[in-house]
Amino acid sequence: DIQMTQSRSSLSASVGDRVTITCRASQSISSYLNWYQQKPGKAPKLLINVVSSLQSGVPSRFSGSGSGTDFTLIISTLQPDDFATYYCQQSYKIPWTFGQGTKVEVK
Amino acid sequence: EVQLVESGGGLVQPGGSLRLSCAASGFPFSSYWMAWVRQTPGKGLEWVANIKQDGSEKNYVDSVKGRFTISRDNAKTSLYLQMNSLRAEDTAIYYCTRDSRSTDFWGQGTRVTVSS
Repeated sequence: DIQMTQSRSSLSASVGDRVTITCRASQSISSYLNWYQQKPGKAPKLLINVVSSLQSGVPSRFSGSGSGTDFTLIISTLQPDDFATYYCQQSYKIPWTFGQGTKVEVK
Repeated sequence: EVQLVESGGGLVQPGGSLRLSCAASGFPFSSYWMAWVRQTPGKGLEWVANIKQDGSEKNYVDSVKGRFTISRDNAKTSLYLQMNSLRAEDTAIYYCTRDSRSTDFWGQGTRVTVSS
């Protein structure tokens, strides 16, 4: 199975900060990389698929980049609603696998 | 509006069985792969299984192969997960999801607890 590793399990940030979350795959996954946001007690929500394609309704402060094995989710200007846990997922090879999550906390 | 509503979760003893159901609406159900994803505090998010539009192809994560069976009824726009020989490590919230090679819609989840 392809292992997805998010280097930080949590990070502390303030409203207005630029936040970068990284994700690494154990092998090349081409561009089959998706990002999700999850808030407590809620199901995850798809933010970005195929590396950089923003889902409808997702604010433009979210962006994604990368290819092969290394990927990044950027929140350009952190807003109060963005404090949550973020997961990456590969959909290159079954079983689809997720990173362990990065929790963005209030500094 | 896409809606996925799971049911069937609960408390079951190790070795027991449970059948999860998911009622889908708001999109052409028969046109999409569907999947189950589970979440535990310890292991995080884990994709469990998916099924092709017509049910002709099914895939499973190794840890559930031979124990879980995914199925669908397109006439009823419903997805199912039959879970047999349940183990403590199957304890999780199970989400019904639309699988477009990214999981673009999720239900609210149903909790499964395997314990004696």
